[in-house]
Amino acid sequence: DTAVSQTPKYLVTQMGNDKSIKCEQNLGHDTMYWYKQDSKKFLKIMFSYNNKELIINETVPNRFSPKSPDKAHLNLHINSLELGDSAVYFCASSQRGGNEQFFGPGTRLTVL
Amino acid sequence: GIQVEQSPPDLILQEGANSTLRCNFSDSVNNLQWFHQNPWGQLINLFYIPSGTKQNGRLSATTVATERYSLLYISSSQTTDSGVYFCAVATNAGKSTFGDGTTLTVKP
Repeated sequence: DTAVSQTPKYLVTQMGNDKSIKCEQNLGHDTMYWYKQDSKKFLKIMFSYNNKELIINETVPNRFSPKSPDKAHLNLHINSLELGDSAVYFCASSQRGGNEQFFGPGTRLTVL
Repeated sequence: GIQVEQSPPDLILQEGANSTLRCNFSDSVNNLQWFHQNPWGQLINLFYIPSGTKQNGRLSATTVATERYSLLYISSSQTTDSGVYFCAVATNAGKSTFGDGTTLTVKP
């Protein structure tokens, strides 16, 4: 009965590869987010979707492409992975933007 | 954008001690949350507190929106309270900004 789930939990890959992280929420929320937590623990929002529509797109390289097939899912695809992409990526959801957010367990991405 | 400052950056306590963590923010916000990131990396919701005071067991929080700050109180701390405490604020557009966190270490 996990509220916000992410797969995979760990992802180790080589530079230049393309990878995807999946997120699903069963809270009935209409807004989903991707955050990046770097090695210094700083958490920064990357994207936000409301009812499958992109509403927040921070200054993220266009190698990162979010996709929301429905309001319960938000996936993150990363092309041409770089060393600096190594981080923990968190998915979150809320009922409308600005309300209480609930976070998934995170995906630790390591680019070698 | 909104600036969020948390203090202190690091805090070391003996088990049983009390502590107060502070979050200052630079503009009006619609939402303020406190999170605990445990040593396994999970982000756990503590409080959703745009204004007022809430209590949950040994933890309580107060947000004074007009003065742009929030406080998180931890009483009778336990080793399981160790981790990083984040404050996050959001505007009505839904964009959240996190503070840099307070790293709490509770020693037995």
